[in-house]
Amino acid sequence: AQTVTQSQPEMSVQEAETVTLSCTYDTSENNYYLFWYKQPPSRQMILVIRQEAYKQQNATENRFSVNFQKAAKSFSLKISDSQLGDTAMYFCAFTLISGGGADGLTFGKGTHLIIQP
Amino acid sequence: GAGVSQSPSNKVTEKGKDVELRCDPISGHTALYWYRQSLGQGLEFLIYFQGNSAPDKSGLPSDRFSAERTGGSVSTLTIQRTQQEDSAVYLCASSLLSGRDTQYFGPGTRLTVL
Repeated sequence: AQTVTQSQPEMSVQEAETVTLSCTYDTSENNYYLFWYKQPPSRQMILVIRQEAYKQQNATENRFSVNFQKAAKSFSLKISDSQLGDTAMYFCAFTLISGGGADGLTFGKGTHLIIQP
Repeated sequence: GAGVSQSPSNKVTEKGKDVELRCDPISGHTALYWYRQSLGQGLEFLIYFQGNSAPDKSGLPSDRFSAERTGGSVSTLTIQRTQQEDSAVYLCASSLLSGRDTQYFGPGTRLTVL
């Protein structure tokens, strides 16, 4: 079974600072996808960024980027120039390609990120 | 276009009653997923549909839980004889095809069992 661990239950930074959220995972498989989802108080789970394990290049989406270390099974999220609207729960998630979707996503416990004005 | 919608947004019920939760996926998405989010257990995957078929129902917490999908579109999650431990947010997601595609989530249904 796959597991995802987020070791930071809560983080707080000042607006405009850079923050890094950590995520590690455990799998014996080689082909998988990793995701970061954001869940604001509205409950809507929003995709932040996605990384295919076969790609060596780290994914980036505007102010969001990841540091994917496959050998270390680490997948951290960096948020640059943080904004008040970034305040939310952030979940790291994993899915196997071979499962064809049947296993769903495996989520970490989440990190509550607070951006202070 | 329209995203994933779920109804009701909130549901309060009494222990022992049956409830139905509805999910309307993004038009054209063939894969549909149900998850449960609770304080104690975090986010748990419950069941996956490809079209109208659910290949594996073992993720459902108990035999009081059932799900169906008709016409390759709307899905219903039914909980019979609700218990207090069923209180949670139930999230639905859909994706274009199978697990290779990004899942897009609905706003969830918050179920409270008194």
